[in-house]
Amino acid sequence: AQSVSQHNHHVILSEAASLELGCNYSYGGTVNLFWYVQYPGQHLQLLLKYFSGDPLVKGIKGFEAEFIKSKFSFNLRKPSVQWSDTAEYFCAVNAQYNTDKLIFGTGTRLQVFP
Amino acid sequence: GAVVSQHPSRVICKSGTSVKIECRSLDFQATTMFWYRQFPKQSLMLMATSNEGSKATYEQGVEKDKFLINHASLTLSTLTVTSAHPEDSSFYICSATKLAGGLFSTDTQYFGPGTRLTVL
Repeated sequence: AQSVSQHNHHVILSEAASLELGCNYSYGGTVNLFWYVQYPGQHLQLLLKYFSGDPLVKGIKGFEAEFIKSKFSFNLRKPSVQWSDTAEYFCAVNAQYNTDKLIFGTGTRLQVFP
Repeated sequence: GAVVSQHPSRVICKSGTSVKIECRSLDFQATTMFWYRQFPKQSLMLMATSNEGSKATYEQGVEKDKFLINHASLTLSTLTVTSAHPEDSSFYICSATKLAGGLFSTDTQYFGPGTRLTVL
């Protein structure tokens, strides 16, 4: 069965610090990978996605993620965080042949202090 | 854009009553809609997948008679929690996809803002 692990449950950073949030998935086949963000009081928004091609994916608001197939990982990065990046971040995966079932990780709460 | 709305945003009801939650795709036609449940400080758990004009597919452990899903049109799906009990209190989120086409569809799910259900 597919599963997604996010090892960082709560991350606290100062503004301008660099960010890397881990995401590992368990699935033997070809997958699509997503990072969603949920700002306080708002709905889930897509940050970026990987379907195929260049494993380094750039998303909105300066975020990027790298798909490393050999490590089953899709870590999210941002070189310099801002206070407005304070949110909950979810990694998600679905199988390319069954895109209906999107499996989410447990989420990482990011707090950025000025 | 791909905007999904949910109504109501918050509902409080008495135990034993039924509650209907609407999910609408505002600016696109959604062939597939999904219903999730999110517990506090936990991830989203898929409850069911619904396609327009057909019966919903429920995930294992989700009672189909308790959580009735109707997907009557390409822009509207409803979730009815029947005979709600306090343990049904949760945050219910819907999402919808725009069909990309092809054998290996690469749909992205667009999420609604969620509905907070509290059963007293």
